[in-house]
Amino acid sequence: GAGVSQSPSNKVTEKGKDVELRCDPISGHTALYWYRQSLGQGLEFLIYFQGNSAPDKSGLPSDRFSAERTGGSVSTLTIQRTQQEDSAVYLCASSYGGAGGETQYFGPGTRLLVL
Amino acid sequence: AQKITQTQPGMFVQEKEAVTLDCTYDTSDQSYGLFWYKQPSSGEMIFLIYQGSYDEQDATEGRYSLNFQKARKSANLVISASQLGDSAMYFCAMREGYFGNEKLTFGTGTRLTIIP
Repeated sequence: GAGVSQSPSNKVTEKGKDVELRCDPISGHTALYWYRQSLGQGLEFLIYFQGNSAPDKSGLPSDRFSAERTGGSVSTLTIQRTQQEDSAVYLCASSYGGAGGETQYFGPGTRLLVL
Repeated sequence: AQKITQTQPGMFVQEKEAVTLDCTYDTSDQSYGLFWYKQPSSGEMIFLIYQGSYDEQDATEGRYSLNFQKARKSANLVISASQLGDSAMYFCAMREGYFGNEKLTFGTGTRLTIIP
């Protein structure tokens, strides 16, 4: 079946512009995660959605970052007033969630470059 | 303190040999899960293997096995009969606590290079 998809695959933007990154999880997966992979920083958790519960936003680095998940499926990560330090690969993952279904499957990522 | 520690930034292994990638973890939770992912140069994170804290046997998936030593808090990945396609970054990750809080914490990774 189809895996996690993300768009765009690459994004180049100018400092100060807003960007939107999209994630389509695997069909039937109730949990969706965003991570960021930066050079020298490794992989860091950003935000987690599980069903209709309030999202866990504890990993968002600043209030310039926000995410939403519409209809329990597609998610959009928005970065406002981008800064050069936002340059990274943004990875989305999904899982069934809960006991026995916790393995997260990742998409190919969006490579963001802020000039 | 680091929650996940991978002490080998890079490893070179001869093709067809077995290789062990080290991972130690730090948690005070009784319930947790440990994962290994492979990231080839294409960038996608590929799930390899999972070990739950209550699992009594070491996990195995084909050529991959997880050497789980709970008392030592170690979860090393063993790849048997390595192949050229195994060259990639390998990440160890942990989910802490009971279900409902399933974010992963990752180690810094080990870059494995298989030599023909």
